[in-house]
Amino acid sequence: AQTVTQSQPEMSVQEAETVTLSCTYDTSESDYYLFWYKQPPSRQMILVIRQEAYKQQNATENRFSVNFQKAAKSFSLKISDSQLGDAAMYFCAYRNSGNTPLVFGKGTRLSVIA
Amino acid sequence: GAVVSQHPSRVICKSGTSVKIECRSLDFQATTMFWYRQFPKQSLMLMATSNEGSKATYEQGVEKDKFLINHASLTLSTLTVTSAHPEDSSFYICSARDQTGTISNYGYTFGSGTRLTVV
Repeated sequence: AQTVTQSQPEMSVQEAETVTLSCTYDTSESDYYLFWYKQPPSRQMILVIRQEAYKQQNATENRFSVNFQKAAKSFSLKISDSQLGDAAMYFCAYRNSGNTPLVFGKGTRLSVIA
Repeated sequence: GAVVSQHPSRVICKSGTSVKIECRSLDFQATTMFWYRQFPKQSLMLMATSNEGSKATYEQGVEKDKFLINHASLTLSTLTVTSAHPEDSSFYICSARDQTGTISNYGYTFGSGTRLTVV
């Protein structure tokens, strides 16, 4: 079974600075997808960024970018120019190809300091 | 974009009663819906996979007789917690993906969740 590991239970960053959240995963599949979801206090799950495993280019979405290292099975999230609204729980997630469920890491709670 | 409407957002029920949670895909057809449970300060744990017109597939350790899942149409899936007990108190979230791919982002759209408190 696939597993997702987030080794940082909590992280903090100064406003306007950059922070990187770590994620590693374990799979024997070659075709899969990786995601970062944000869960604010409202508990609504919000997709931050996704990465297809077959793509070598790292995904970027405005201030959010990933460092996808397929051989190392690593998928870190970089948040640039951090804003107060970025404070939330961040979950790394994996799924196989096809209509399969997401497998989540334990999450990293990000605090942004003004 | 794809929207999943989940109701109720909060419910308090007495021990021994049943509670139904609904998830509707508003602008797409969801042949598959996933149900997750999230305890405080923990991650989302998959409970079951709900397929339209067929029986749900439950994860190991999830009691299928306690957590009844029905997916009778392409836009509606329900989770009924039967004979609820305080240990069932949790946050329940559904998610689905647009099967046609027209709205798909390879990820899943989540409902807003239901906070269940059993007293």
